[in-house]
Amino acid sequence: DIQMTQSPSTLSASVGDRVTITCRASQSISTWLAWYQQKPGKAPNLLIYDASSLQSGVPSRFSGSGSGTEFTLTISSLQPDDFATYYCQHYNSYRMYTFGQGTKLEIK
Amino acid sequence: EVQLVESGGGLVKPGGSLRLSCAASGFTFSHTYMSWVRQAPGKGLEWVGRIKSKTDGGTTDYAAPVKGRFTISRDDSKNTLYLQLNSLKTEDTAVYYCTIDRANYFDYWGQGTLVTVSS
Repeated sequence: DIQMTQSPSTLSASVGDRVTITCRASQSISTWLAWYQQKPGKAPNLLIYDASSLQSGVPSRFSGSGSGTEFTLTISSLQPDDFATYYCQHYNSYRMYTFGQGTKLEIK
Repeated sequence: EVQLVESGGGLVKPGGSLRLSCAASGFTFSHTYMSWVRQAPGKGLEWVGRIKSKTDGGTTDYAAPVKGRFTISRDDSKNTLYLQLNSLKTEDTAVYYCTIDRANYFDYWGQGTLVTVSS
């Protein structure tokens, strides 16, 4: 099975900062990667799909990049509403979906 | 507007069964793949399983931890997705989300329903 590893597990940052979260796959997954934001007590919200496509309605300060085994989610200028937990997710050839373990973005 | 509303969660004893429902509206349900994703308290997201549209065979796939115990089905006449949970274990305690499955990602999620497995 393909494993998805996110780093860091926790990230402390301030409003206005540029932050990057990384997701690594245990083998090449082309660009079959999505990113989600989840706030406490709420369902996840799709941000990015196909590694770099911005979901409709998601602010342009969010961007995704990467291919193969290394992917990044970047928030260009953190807003108060962005403090949340972020997950990467991949669909593999075994007809299964795998999520990363999550990155909690906290206020510094 | 797309809406997914889960129901049916609750407290059940280990070894017991439960059926979750997800009422869908705002899109062509019969043409859409659907998945269930769960989240144990304080933990990350875990995909549970998927059902394809009937036009694509209506087949199901499951994650290893639930295969043989959980069953996903759909009633396109009622725009409703189901998850039958059998032989429940304490580790199945989680919020269960119904999602629209675009084959590579999930773009709409319900609010979730909590299943607690405890004696």
